[in-house]
Amino acid sequence: DAGITQSPRHKVTETGTPVTLRCHQTENHRYMYWYRQDPGHGLRLIHYSYGVKDTDKGEVSDGYSVSRSKTEDFLLTLESATSSQTSVYFCAISGGTAIDEKLFFGSGTQLSVL
Amino acid sequence: AQKVTQAQTEISVVEKEDVTLDCVYETRDTTYYLFWYKQPPSGELVFLIRRNSFDEQNEISGRYSWNFQKSTSSFNFTITASQVVDSAVYFCALRLAYSGAGSYQLTFGKGTKLSVIP
Repeated sequence: DAGITQSPRHKVTETGTPVTLRCHQTENHRYMYWYRQDPGHGLRLIHYSYGVKDTDKGEVSDGYSVSRSKTEDFLLTLESATSSQTSVYFCAISGGTAIDEKLFFGSGTQLSVL
Repeated sequence: AQKVTQAQTEISVVEKEDVTLDCVYETRDTTYYLFWYKQPPSGELVFLIRRNSFDEQNEISGRYSWNFQKSTSSFNFTITASQVVDSAVYFCALRLAYSGAGSYQLTFGKGTKLSVIP
């Protein structure tokens, strides 16, 4: 299994508070992604990174920011959490060395915003 | 923009029955990659298969088989002699093949929940 660790695994927070989710990889892969999974929507891309300090927006980026200061860490921040951001968040990585490279996923973070 | 449609939201079958999960995709690109992922009740996402747009050969792996038809933009997944352990949500996904930043993004369908009843 790919070495991907997401923390925390579960988080309950209140509306309006900032929240940061961390994704840590030990594979030295170039690409990292944050997806959210919601019933009826499947997985949707929030932000992704194609290198240190290189990030870009995905399909549902509003209300989220990311940072990648090291190859191994990709942080997702909810500046002011809202109830609509209650979801399961998955981090994924890919090496980018092969054109058909698959994504490896972390175990997910269950976030509840009350 | 690309799109993946999994029209079957939920399917229930009795153990040992065969079941096919449908996946239809949309893209204007001629080169792309298709994937299937499995998400068992434990929640992790497990890679099952990838297929590039130039390879329309069907693939079989044990009880699993995939039928890729470019003419109908479909990439269907069949489980033969289903087992209770096959109960999961299955996602079909598409990735375009270009070299720009973010080229490894996957566009997912909404998933099909398969329940195999003993």
